[in-house]
Amino acid sequence: TQLLEQSPQFLSIQEGENLTVYCNSSSVFSSLQWYRQEPGEGPVLLVTVVTGGEVKKLKRLTFQFGDARKDSSLHITAAQTGDTGLYLCGRYSWGKLQFGAGTQVVVTP
Amino acid sequence: EAQVTQNPRYLITVTGKKLTVTCSQNMNHEYMSWYRQDPGLGLRQIYYSMNVEVTDKGDVPEGYKVSRKEKRNFPLILESPSPNQTSLYFCASSLKQGLGEQYFGPGTRLTVT
Repeated sequence: TQLLEQSPQFLSIQEGENLTVYCNSSSVFSSLQWYRQEPGEGPVLLVTVVTGGEVKKLKRLTFQFGDARKDSSLHITAAQTGDTGLYLCGRYSWGKLQFGAGTQVVVTP
Repeated sequence: EAQVTQNPRYLITVTGKKLTVTCSQNMNHEYMSWYRQDPGLGLRQIYYSMNVEVTDKGDVPEGYKVSRKEKRNFPLILESPSPNQTSLYFCASSLKQGLGEQYFGPGTRLTVT
């Protein structure tokens, strides 16, 4: 059983469209990290959210941390082909970073 | 350039033949860990190390060994590989345990036949 549930598992959209992926848990996070993994590479950190209700923006990516700190979302505006990748959320639990299964995003021209 | 390196990147081996996957980081990080990535299961931690000579089990340690004799190196050892260890393996490091960004290596794709 995943401590972190990510949805959807797979998302295919065309360039210019918007998308949102979700990360949920039944327990409270002290903080949450979002990583992106491109084919043939290791995950790379995009952002860390810490405070309930926090919103962080990274160019066309908007990250939100739920008020109760049990969920988070990643919204991409006007997706580009370079946004293609596996998006992973992770949380520290007892000093260990645990990940959800990820959302595979494919952006086609 | 700050990085985590792993070798080999690809490995095909047979059941029972001992193998080692090396991992090295040049950032003077205290914390290092190994993950395996399988479809639908995400990244699962195998072993981690908080500093030299300090290692501990992660969520899926069975069939693996590690050592941390030097701060920069953290090899993963499969004494007797089995087909269920076919996976994509990542080494990662961070400044300290439970804190901040984890830097991942490029991955090692292992196939055990």
